[in-house]
Amino acid sequence: RKEVEQDPGPFNVPEGATVAFNCTYSNSASQSFFWYRQDCRKEPKLLMSVYSSGNEDGRFTAQLNRASQYISLLIRDSKLSDSATYLCVVTPNDYKLSFGAGTTVTVRA
Amino acid sequence: NAGVTQTPKFQVLKTGQSMTLQCAQDMNHNSMYWYRQDPGMGLRLIYYSASEGTTDKGEVPNGYNVSRLNKREFSLRLESAAPSQTSVYFCASSAFGGSTEAFFGQGTRLTVV
Repeated sequence: RKEVEQDPGPFNVPEGATVAFNCTYSNSASQSFFWYRQDCRKEPKLLMSVYSSGNEDGRFTAQLNRASQYISLLIRDSKLSDSATYLCVVTPNDYKLSFGAGTTVTVRA
Repeated sequence: NAGVTQTPKFQVLKTGQSMTLQCAQDMNHNSMYWYRQDPGMGLRLIYYSASEGTTDKGEVPNGYNVSRLNKREFSLRLESAAPSQTSVYFCASSAFGGSTEAFFGQGTRLTVV
């Protein structure tokens, strides 16, 4: 089983829509969780960290469910500029970063 | 304001050739990583270095070697390139392992023919 699994999508949504997707992880000892964003053929960049209590950054909301071992990302009021691949990242030990294969989101005008 | 610098950006190798991918960071980070990214596979960890002087295998280390030359530099070597190593390679660094933000270089697009 992969350490981190994501629905690859693509999610094709109109501007202004809400889109949400999940990622599951296999190692229950994982301590840190992140969402990264990757634009086509570019390097990944941190979108937000995911905390146990859930957290929000503008139009983005991340949730962690340790019991079911998944994290989620919700994007409200989608913009064209939100079109990207969103990578779920989990830390199964202190140093290793494990990436999901990514969820592709396309926002159309 | 360089961050993480990888060289080269593009490379074409013939099967059996060797090469070294260079990575340097100027953020005084302790941890460094090498990933490869293939379509539909996401980023897979090749090797990582938790701190200067240590290196550990990731998910897909076969065919690769690494050197943590000093705190700034972490190189990846392909001793005998194979077509299966055609990929995009990313170097990354973080201040303290997996609990802190990772910063990535711009990637090296490697083709082995």
